[in-house]
Amino acid sequence: QKEVEQDPGPLSVPEGAIVSLNCTYSNSAFQYFMWYRQYSRKGPELLMYTYSSGNKEDGRFTAQVDKSSKYISLFIRDSQPSDSATYLCAMTPHTGTASKLTFGTGTRLQVTL
Amino acid sequence: DTAVSQTPKYLVTQMGNDKSIKCEQNLGHDTMYWYKQDSKKFLKIMFSYNNKELIINETVPNRFSPKSPDKAHLNLHINSLELGDSAVYFCASSFRIPTADNEQFFGPGTRLTVL
Repeated sequence: QKEVEQDPGPLSVPEGAIVSLNCTYSNSAFQYFMWYRQYSRKGPELLMYTYSSGNKEDGRFTAQVDKSSKYISLFIRDSQPSDSATYLCAMTPHTGTASKLTFGTGTRLQVTL
Repeated sequence: DTAVSQTPKYLVTQMGNDKSIKCEQNLGHDTMYWYKQDSKKFLKIMFSYNNKELIINETVPNRFSPKSPDKAHLNLHINSLELGDSAVYFCASSFRIPTADNEQFFGPGTRLTVL
């Protein structure tokens, strides 16, 4: 069993829909949680970052962490075709030097017109 | 452009060959990484260097040897290439000093195909 599980999708939604992307994890030492977005044939880029439990909002994106359930989510409101990409969750026990990120396998999202 | 760059972008080679991938960052970061992304998009760390010193060395065959001539460069040399080495290899970098977002900046990737 992988340390971080993520449904690979693909997830297809119409433009304007609310999208929910999720990851579960098994290592209770994880404290920092990230969402990376990866467009086709490109490198991942950081989208959202949260520390410990709670919510964080940035424009149309909301990240949620529930450490008691070892479950994290990314919500995208008013989804746009430009949101079509693979979304990777990542997590680490600590930040700084040698901050080893453990990634999920990514969920491919397709937003259709 | 400030960025993480990798060369080559594509690499097609025969089994048994030796090849190198180069990475450079001009972001002023102290820490650099190599990741392997397989066909199922699973991204896994291989190595990390901080200011030319190896700080993360995951369970990787010793056919893979990273080299950091200075803190802005991290190269990956692969000996005796095998079919299973086919993947996209990403270089990344981050600040040494802990930052709130712990962001790692990724390069565009090198798509390696071993025939």
